[in-house]
Amino acid sequence: QSVLTQPPSVSGAPGQRVTIACTGSRSNIGAGYTVHWYQQLPGKSPKLLISGNNNRPSGVPDRFSGSKSGTSASLAITGLQAEDEADYYCQSYDSSLSGFYVFGTGTKVTVL
Amino acid sequence: QLQLQESGPGLVEPSETLSLTCSVSGGSIGGSNYYWAWIRQSPGEGLKWVGSIYFRGNTYYNPSLKSRVTMFVDTSTNDFSLQLTSVTAADTAVYFCARHQGDCSSSSCFLSYYYSMDVWGQGTTVTVSS
Repeated sequence: QSVLTQPPSVSGAPGQRVTIACTGSRSNIGAGYTVHWYQQLPGKSPKLLISGNNNRPSGVPDRFSGSKSGTSASLAITGLQAEDEADYYCQSYDSSLSGFYVFGTGTKVTVL
Repeated sequence: QLQLQESGPGLVEPSETLSLTCSVSGGSIGGSNYYWAWIRQSPGEGLKWVGSIYFRGNTYYNPSLKSRVTMFVDTSTNDFSLQLTSVTAADTAVYFCARHQGDCSSSSCFLSYYYSMDVWGQGTTVTVSS
């Protein structure tokens, strides 16, 4: 039922680059609203990874970067590390009846 | 360092009211530009924003839950609460509290499309079952 769609899983070997797409619509990402990304380690709460489309909070490695274009956004992880194995969620604002703040369906990143 | 901690019953019977509290430490819940939110996570729905409240009582609720949700803030105890009425198995989830900035001026503060949820609690599991 999420209005933001992500691939269920992506994988890569250590050191590789992976990207996660977040596909929305004209009532959220396409309307210009900012996109944020969260990392959720197993059994933990989500942690803010990228805010305002492409800003990293203090302490987040520069291996993580975000971008946005049209009705989609992307999270890139370069130099993939074992500790990056987690679930990743995008989040934005939606101006329809979907509920103001909406999250993506989530993507499981597996480090091979 | 700001910390949030959820508390409440782990088991609620169907048709009853779910009540949770989020205790805020390391900072004040009032007098700032922040909204305080509830988000839940379940295998069926993923992450779902439930609602947000400002310390002056301004509230925004998810339209899909609005008829059953009430949020309160208590600045004297520095916490905020969630009540969800007439619960069913579909309300079984891990409930998180979180903080996000609002679009604020000296006289008002509205939900913002710009800011992220920058601090989260650890979450509490609520099961709806008889």
